[in-house]
Amino acid sequence: KQEVTQIPAALSVPEGENLVLNCSFTDSAIYNLQWFRQDPGKGLTSLLLIQSSQREQTSGRLNASLDKSSGRSTLYIAASQPGDSATYLCAVSQAGTALIFGKGTTLSVSS
Amino acid sequence: DTAVSQTPKYLVTQMGNDKSIKCEQNLGHDTMYWYKQDSKKFLKIMFSYNNKELIINETVPNRFSPKSPDKAHLNLHINSLELGDSAVYFCASSLGPYSYEQYFGPGTRLTVT
Repeated sequence: KQEVTQIPAALSVPEGENLVLNCSFTDSAIYNLQWFRQDPGKGLTSLLLIQSSQREQTSGRLNASLDKSSGRSTLYIAASQPGDSATYLCAVSQAGTALIFGKGTTLSVSS
Repeated sequence: DTAVSQTPKYLVTQMGNDKSIKCEQNLGHDTMYWYKQDSKKFLKIMFSYNNKELIINETVPNRFSPKSPDKAHLNLHINSLELGDSAVYFCASSLGPYSYEQYFGPGTRLTVT
């Protein structure tokens, strides 16, 4: 049974720092991995989708990598800003089921 | 234009009542989903429909019944509500099942008193 783990559970950084959020999964038979952002009381915003055949995806200050064989993904946020404060969720897709989520990393960026 | 919309945004009701949550997507997607986010913020799939047919049905009490009148709509009806049903329910859609990017609605916060 697929399990998705995100470390750390919470992270506080000063504005301007570069940071890395980690996601690991136990079954490498995935179609893709998706990173989401969730603001308090809001829905999920898709940030990046990495197909299983890809190694990384970039969008603005965000870069996500995928190492399927080792069951790991990282989300790199460059030059963090207070507006980046949110919960970041990692999810994988597999045959026969929908997205399987980690429990998220809650990021706080102070000015 | 809202891609995936849900109504209502908030729902407060008493134990034993029956309630429905509606979801609509204007993305032209074939696949729609219902997820539940519990009090610990953990998201889990409940159901998925592809072209109006049920393709995923996780271990969910049969008090929960999804209905897809057409590809753009997926509603969730809950009978005999219990305290443990209190959660945020998210609707999502994708171009197709399993391997496609999913887009989420804003969520419906259900509180059962």
